[in-house]
Amino acid sequence: DAGVTQSPTHLIKTRGQQVTLRCSPKSGHDTVSWYQQALGQGPQFIFQYYEEEERQRGNFPDRFSGHQFPNYSSELNVNALLLGDSALYLCASSQIAVAETQYFGPGTRLLVL
Amino acid sequence: AQKVTQAQTEISVVEKEDVTLDCVYETRDTTYYLFWYKQPPSGELVFLIRRNSFDEQNEISGRYSWNFQKSTSSFNFTITASQVVDSAVYFCALSEFIQGAQKLVFGQGTRLTINP
Repeated sequence: DAGVTQSPTHLIKTRGQQVTLRCSPKSGHDTVSWYQQALGQGPQFIFQYYEEEERQRGNFPDRFSGHQFPNYSSELNVNALLLGDSALYLCASSQIAVAETQYFGPGTRLLVL
Repeated sequence: AQKVTQAQTEISVVEKEDVTLDCVYETRDTTYYLFWYKQPPSGELVFLIRRNSFDEQNEISGRYSWNFQKSTSSFNFTITASQVVDSAVYFCALSEFIQGAQKLVFGQGTRLTINP
């Protein structure tokens, strides 16, 4: 049973560029959440997708956008990258039922130069 | 708003010692869920336990145990007879429900180092 997968594992971009990160949820899961984890900090919620729609959003600017596909996989897009966007981006999948456990992928390490 | 505090930034112990990681939370919800995750150097968050607010029974899983006390808003995690493989960053998290969507609010994490 495959767990949550993310690609790429590492990425280096320069300021002003755009980036797309990808996530495939655990088998049987229909909900994907994205988190940003800065160095030495706990993960911060970016947004959650279910039924191809954004259900909830954290305190992140509109430069952060996402998408969910019919097969439940998801993308996170960040436009106009800033140095402060350098972080580990974690994808978590779960079932939509209330309070189901979120299972995390290995993350994508983004470095913005 | 929900808040999780892990006051211990770093803990270092010698192998086979017992170690307790503290977690204190704030919430106005009457129903909520608490979680512990382990993050090894690889970066992936590994789920350890989920606890709901109505179940205050302590739980034991092998060398791991959890002490949930609503009266003090704490959900502490104890590793008995620690091993080098337990070295990682440990996060406590609290569920927050907004319009049917659950997000996790994490503490700052505790970096645990087990020395041989």
